[in-house]
Amino acid sequence: QKEVEQNSGPLSVPEGAIASLNCTYSDRVSQSFFWYRQYSGKSPELIMSIYSNGDKEDGRFTAQLNKASQYVSLLIRDSQPSDSATYLCAVNPGGYNKLIFGAGTRLAVHP
Amino acid sequence: NAGVMQNPRHLVRRRGQEARLRCSPMKGHSHVYWYRQLPEEGLKFMVYLQKENIIDESGMPKERFSAEFPKEGPSILRIQQVVRGDSAAYFCASSPENTEAFFGQGTRLTVV
Repeated sequence: QKEVEQNSGPLSVPEGAIASLNCTYSDRVSQSFFWYRQYSGKSPELIMSIYSNGDKEDGRFTAQLNKASQYVSLLIRDSQPSDSATYLCAVNPGGYNKLIFGAGTRLAVHP
Repeated sequence: NAGVMQNPRHLVRRRGQEARLRCSPMKGHSHVYWYRQLPEEGLKFMVYLQKENIIDESGMPKERFSAEFPKEGPSILRIQQVVRGDSAAYFCASSPENTEAFFGQGTRLTVV
């Protein structure tokens, strides 16, 4: 059974803090990993993709991948109230874009 | 450059009716994916299509659901004889090849 696990939250952080979102996956052959942000009632929006071990930074976002531990995380620096949303971790086991999604972590950034 | 277009945005159907959901991929994208999201849940893969071909329909319920992506026109997800449990948000995504997929705004289906 291919699974992607996320803590459902809510994860509550103060404005300006670092928010750390975590995701584990079960399929060792997974090749690519994505973080999507979804505001309530809206569609998922791609914010980060990562394909190799290590860190990948894009603005206030950093994705971290550890394939040996089957673990991928997303750090959001200087969190803003506008970052309040559900963050979905998605894993592509390989081949085409058959993404396996976690249930999402709800992030709440309070002023 | 228009994104992935889905219509209708909201669809209400009575039990037993048919629902047709449309998805026009981004320009230049030949790969289309359909996902379903039940309330308070993550997205579940349903089907992957390329022009005129169903590549993977392993996430589609065995009955009542079908999908197509004709040579001309949008991809269609069709649900026959809808039941209350079909109420969900249905998202379409597209990609040019095996790269990042971008989602449309979704169709929210309500079965009454």
